[in-house]
Amino acid sequence: DIVLTQSPDSLAVSLGERATINCKSSQSVLFSSNNKNYLAWYQQKPGYPPSLLIYWASTRASGVPDRFSGSGSGTDFTLTINSLQAEDVAVYYCQQYYTTPRTFGQGTKVEIK
Amino acid sequence: QVQLQESGPRLVKPSETLSLTCAVSGGSISTYYWSWIRQPPGKGLEWIAYIDYSGSSRYNPSLKSRVTISVDTSKNQFSLKLSSVTAADTAVYYCARHELGYCDGGTCPYYFDFWGQGTLVTVSS
Repeated sequence: DIVLTQSPDSLAVSLGERATINCKSSQSVLFSSNNKNYLAWYQQKPGYPPSLLIYWASTRASGVPDRFSGSGSGTDFTLTINSLQAEDVAVYYCQQYYTTPRTFGQGTKVEIK
Repeated sequence: QVQLQESGPRLVKPSETLSLTCAVSGGSISTYYWSWIRQPPGKGLEWIAYIDYSGSSRYNPSLKSRVTISVDTSKNQFSLKLSSVTAADTAVYYCARHELGYCDGGTCPYYFDFWGQGTLVTVSS
């Protein structure tokens, strides 16, 4: 199984500041034939299901504000939230769809400082 | 807009079988792949299984011996059965749709683009 390890487990950021979450994969999720990274990011607010933020490691899903961005390739990925807003308080998960079983990172809780 | 709605018993006794159904509306269940994912209270997400409209399925090896996933295209829904449950199976169970991909000359499931609201199933006597 591909193990995804997120860091940190939680972070507190002031409103308007930047939040950075890392996701490290136990093996590459870069598919060589199409040069795409099979990695997605989800946001889960309390009491709600996860919602898709980013796919192909860096493509924002429809309706996602441009303060959210994804980067990285191979085994190391980053989700960045620029200018954190109060509504961004949530748990963020990375997930690989490179292989089965599909796996998620353990989650990173983002709070307001 | 596709919508997914989980339904089924909220309380299951230990050693019995958990059964859930996901009704899909706003779109056809055909063509896409569909998954079950669970989340124990206060914990992270665990993928359980996926199925396509033809009934082709894959399971998480950690649960494979106890899980059955099925699809009913006539009712536009798919289902999950988890046998021999214990307290460790207490979780919010989500159904979700995969974005459709193309690989190896056929289709394959990509990331989860639509999720149900989830249903908390408690295993307790």
